[in-house]
Amino acid sequence: NAGVTQTPKFRVLKTGQSMTLLCAQDMNHEYMYWYRQDPGMGLRLIHYSVGEGTTAKGEVPDGYNVSRLKKQNFLLGLESAAPSQTSVYFCASSYIDSSSSGANVLTFGAGSRLTVL
Amino acid sequence: GQNIDQPTEMTATEGAIVQINCTYQTSGFNGLFWYQQHAGEAPTFLSYNVLDGLEEKGRFSSFLSRSKGYSYLLLKELQMKDSASYLCAVRDGDYKLSFGAGTTVTVRA
Repeated sequence: NAGVTQTPKFRVLKTGQSMTLLCAQDMNHEYMYWYRQDPGMGLRLIHYSVGEGTTAKGEVPDGYNVSRLKKQNFLLGLESAAPSQTSVYFCASSYIDSSSSGANVLTFGAGSRLTVL
Repeated sequence: GQNIDQPTEMTATEGAIVQINCTYQTSGFNGLFWYQQHAGEAPTFLSYNVLDGLEEKGRFSSFLSRSKGYSYLLLKELQMKDSASYLCAVRDGDYKLSFGAGTTVTVRA
């Protein structure tokens, strides 16, 4: 059981280049999330999805786009990379727990370290 | 939005107890989580509180007071492997999780 898999693990880009980060989960989770983690700022939500074909903006969505064409995959795209997007990106997924006491625990991928020069 | 505050760093001795406080101000509240993150690794789930009171899981306990917007994570019988960052996170009504900046705990021999 692989859980949440992110590819690539490392990438170096030049300013203005584009790229896509892929997140795949094999737990049949409905919810998927993309976070970025920067020193001293914690994890910040970029975009999230509550199901196949749906996406929504998080706290810091500018400069990123996402797609959820298949339930198990959540793609994060950078159309024109900027040095401010240098960060570690984490994908996470969770199941739906409709009970008021449900934990709805996030399972994280190992992270993707992106450097934009 | 969410405003989540926790100390930046804490240091403790092996075998001791450390308490990490977290205060929050949120537009909606649907549970508070603690995650552990070792350097260079992904966060992993530690505990969850949605009702006031103490939740105990082995050496780790977490407390929540919703009226005070306050939680703490208690780590007992500290071990060297507990050296990590501890993240406080609040879930809103849309199942989104907002994280604090994390508290780096260093355990010394």
